[in-house]
Amino acid sequence: DGGITQSPKYLFRKEGQNVTLSCEQNLNHDAMYWYRQDPGQGLRLIYYSQIVNDFQKGDIAEGYSVSREKKESFPLTVTSAQKNPTAFYLCATQVRDGSTDTQYFGPGTRLTVL
Amino acid sequence: DAKTTQPPSMDCAEGRAANLPCNHSTISGNEYVYWYRQIHSQGPQYIIHGLKNNETNEMASLIITEDRKSSTLILPHATLRDTAVYYCIVRPIGTGTASKLTFGTGTRLQVTL
Repeated sequence: DGGITQSPKYLFRKEGQNVTLSCEQNLNHDAMYWYRQDPGQGLRLIYYSQIVNDFQKGDIAEGYSVSREKKESFPLTVTSAQKNPTAFYLCATQVRDGSTDTQYFGPGTRLTVL
Repeated sequence: DAKTTQPPSMDCAEGRAANLPCNHSTISGNEYVYWYRQIHSQGPQYIIHGLKNNETNEMASLIITEDRKSSTLILPHATLRDTAVYYCIVRPIGTGTASKLTFGTGTRLQVTL
């Protein structure tokens, strides 16, 4: 949303294949996040990164990997080890706003594993 | 984080004000009230946040009661494009990078002609 791009919008892969989801931002925000959203459910945190070359596991990191080689980019790889990868994937950035932190989201990538 | 309670659904006629309530009776003094919305098949969109004073931006107004136990998001002139699920959440001051967002079930707002 407003400076966060995710591509592609829809992605189809065969079971057993790794797939990489792109997330790029031009907001100059330091922190970036990956969430997963399943139908009718809330957000679940996969990974997050506070600065370049550093990232931390979220609540459901198993079967996923990330990298943060540039401030603008935080790609997510869904590996074949992820048991149920079909979901809506959301990338977000975070910025300090006064005394609080506000997160902004990209448009999402809907991954379907056949 | 404090829990929030929202009505599951609301209707609003196009052009009228949409008033979306949120109860956060267990909010603590160091927690902000945030509103996001999610249009079908899109990423969540940040709307507004506030601590204790009423806030207004180009999208909406946020009215927080004096005791901070509830708030109302006001869309002054709803349009069909405002049809979405609206989420009210509370987040501590100085959350830091490690804090994830947690959405509840939200309010599904349907704007009609």
